[in-house]
Amino acid sequence: RKEVEQDPGPFNVPEGATVAFNCTYSNSASQSFFWYRQDCRKEPKLLMSVYSSGNEDGRFTAQLNRASQYISLLIRDSKLSDSATYLCVVNPYDRGSTLGRLYFGRGTQLTVWP
Amino acid sequence: ETGVTQSPTHLIKTRGQQVTLRCSSQSGHNTVSWYQQALGQGPQFIFQYYREEENGRGNFPPRFSGLQFPNYSSELNVNALELDDSALYLCASSFWLAGVNEQFFGPGTRLTVL
Repeated sequence: RKEVEQDPGPFNVPEGATVAFNCTYSNSASQSFFWYRQDCRKEPKLLMSVYSSGNEDGRFTAQLNRASQYISLLIRDSKLSDSATYLCVVNPYDRGSTLGRLYFGRGTQLTVWP
Repeated sequence: ETGVTQSPTHLIKTRGQQVTLRCSSQSGHNTVSWYQQALGQGPQFIFQYYREEENGRGNFPPRFSGLQFPNYSSELNVNALELDDSALYLCASSFWLAGVNEQFFGPGTRLTVL
């Protein structure tokens, strides 16, 4: 079973739409969670960290449900520039090392059309 | 921009050859992680270096090796290249802080093995 599972999509939505991405993770002791954005043939860029209480950054809202081991990202009022692949990322607690490693989902592709 | 640089940008090698990829971490960061990203997949953790020592390795064979230097820059070496090694190789730097592991990626080196 993979550490992080994501629906690969693709999601195709019109400008102004609201779109939600979900992912699940397998290690219940995971300690840090992130969403990264990756444009075609570019490096992943940190979009936002995900906190237990949920957090918002402009049009982006991230939620974490530790009981269900589920992470979500909501994008409101989609823009053309939001077209990218969104990667769900988990840093599992590693008793051998506190420095950790990141586990990535395979990404969900989003295309926003005019 | 993250301040993480990688060289070269692109590289073409043939099967059986050896390759060295380089990474300069963001100023103030003391940890470097390497990831391999195959087409259509999320990045996969190769290994991480902290204070010039390997601190964790993913499911990669010993022919993948690395170094970290006193200035926190790093190298990834791959011996006996195989066709499946063709991928985008990403370097990520971070400053370890308890409970937080935000990693910032360089632009990557795209390796093609023929």
